[in-house]
Amino acid sequence: EPEVTQTPSHQVTQMGQEVILRCVPISNHLYFYWYRQILGQKVEFLVSFYNNEISEKSEIFDDQFSVERPDGSNFTLKIRSTKLEDSAMYFCASSPHTGVGTGELFFGEGSRLTVL
Amino acid sequence: AQSVTQPDIHITVSEGASLELRCNYSYGATPYLFWYVQSPGQGLQLLLKYFSGDTLVQGIKGFEAEFKRSQSSFNLRKPSVHWSDAAEYFCAAFWYNNNDMRFGAGTRLTVKP
Repeated sequence: EPEVTQTPSHQVTQMGQEVILRCVPISNHLYFYWYRQILGQKVEFLVSFYNNEISEKSEIFDDQFSVERPDGSNFTLKIRSTKLEDSAMYFCASSPHTGVGTGELFFGEGSRLTVL
Repeated sequence: AQSVTQPDIHITVSEGASLELRCNYSYGATPYLFWYVQSPGQGLQLLLKYFSGDTLVQGIKGFEAEFKRSQSSFNLRKPSVHWSDAAEYFCAAFWYNNNDMRFGAGTRLTVKP
């Protein structure tokens, strides 16, 4: 069964460093998402991406975050200068399309980011 | 603003007892509705989903959920809980008109022997 894959599963970084989290969505999917979950808290929406551009973003997704789909298969989340509060589990998701009967997001296993 | 509410932060039930986890959604349009389960340090596993049609949906692991439009609710149920069901459960709603998916805060389930 097709699945969303994320790498790395766990990354430890120093505060101020840049981090790139990678995701390979399901191949025929068109919509891509990043969510994050700070330990013990709810899953929060960060950004959605369609047709090579951001379609929506939350207030969390500030200038230190960026997303891109560099090669038609990967979908990356870059955090330019990590802060301690960026420590979280980051989930990638993809969806085939929107419309009646669809809209289900398929989630990856998550990438745990620890900022020291 | 669109939101999903799970009123119960933590629920404890005895093994073999029945379970109901509550979920309510806001906003006028009926979204697609989902329940996910998350074990510690793990990802999100989809238990079940509701798009339209029959308001009682069956999921994996013996779970079911009932959609009630009048109450804007989508409560998760299981007739007999097993110790392996201990986990965090998230309700989620997807509003397809603006491609927006939101999660509830989660309900942590503890199962007593």
